[in-house]
Amino acid sequence: GQNIDQPTEMTATEGAIVQINCTYQTSGFNGLFWYQQHAGEAPTFLSYNVLDGLEEKGRFSSFLSRSKGYSYLLLKELQMKDSASYLCAVRDGDYKLSFGAGTTVTVRA
Amino acid sequence: ETGVTQTPRHLVMGMTNKKSLKCEQHLGHNAMYWYKQSAKKPLELMFVYSLEERVENNSVPSRFSPECPNSSHLFLHLHTLQPEDSALYLCASSQGLAEYNEQFFGPGTRLTVL
Repeated sequence: GQNIDQPTEMTATEGAIVQINCTYQTSGFNGLFWYQQHAGEAPTFLSYNVLDGLEEKGRFSSFLSRSKGYSYLLLKELQMKDSASYLCAVRDGDYKLSFGAGTTVTVRA
Repeated sequence: ETGVTQTPRHLVMGMTNKKSLKCEQHLGHNAMYWYKQSAKKPLELMFVYSLEERVENNSVPSRFSPECPNSSHLFLHLHTLQPEDSALYLCASSQGLAEYNEQFFGPGTRLTVL
């Protein structure tokens, strides 16, 4: 089966930086996605990594190391609206996405 | 309407009821998905349709029956559900099944089975 691990909860202060780690053991690998999901809302796409290295998009960056089965999502200059669940998902076949259970980030003033 | 819409947003049903969940995508995509999201658990893929053909049935009980009449609409027909089926049911769509295509999610239907 697929195994995707990420921390359950993280708390940080407004303006700070938070790094959400994701480790995976899957039968195949065709890319890794990060999604943001606010309570009661749809998951929304944040990033896609298929090659090793860092992808930066404004305040959010995502890193991938395929040899280590590891990714992280970096949230900089945290804002209150960043309080949400962050989902790590691995494309382990042609189209199937296997998700982690999500990391709930709480941003405090 | 834009993006992916789902109706109803909330549904309460008894174990003997029959109901249907509806999903509609306005993005011109040709692949659609049903996921189940239970509290504190990863999203579970249930069904995948590409060009209105089912390409994945992920060992889902037969009390869940999908229907994809065209590339814009996806239904999930429910009958004789169990309380453990209570969850958030999310629909998603993508341009195609290629690995780089991100999936766009609807807001979900919160289902409670009594």
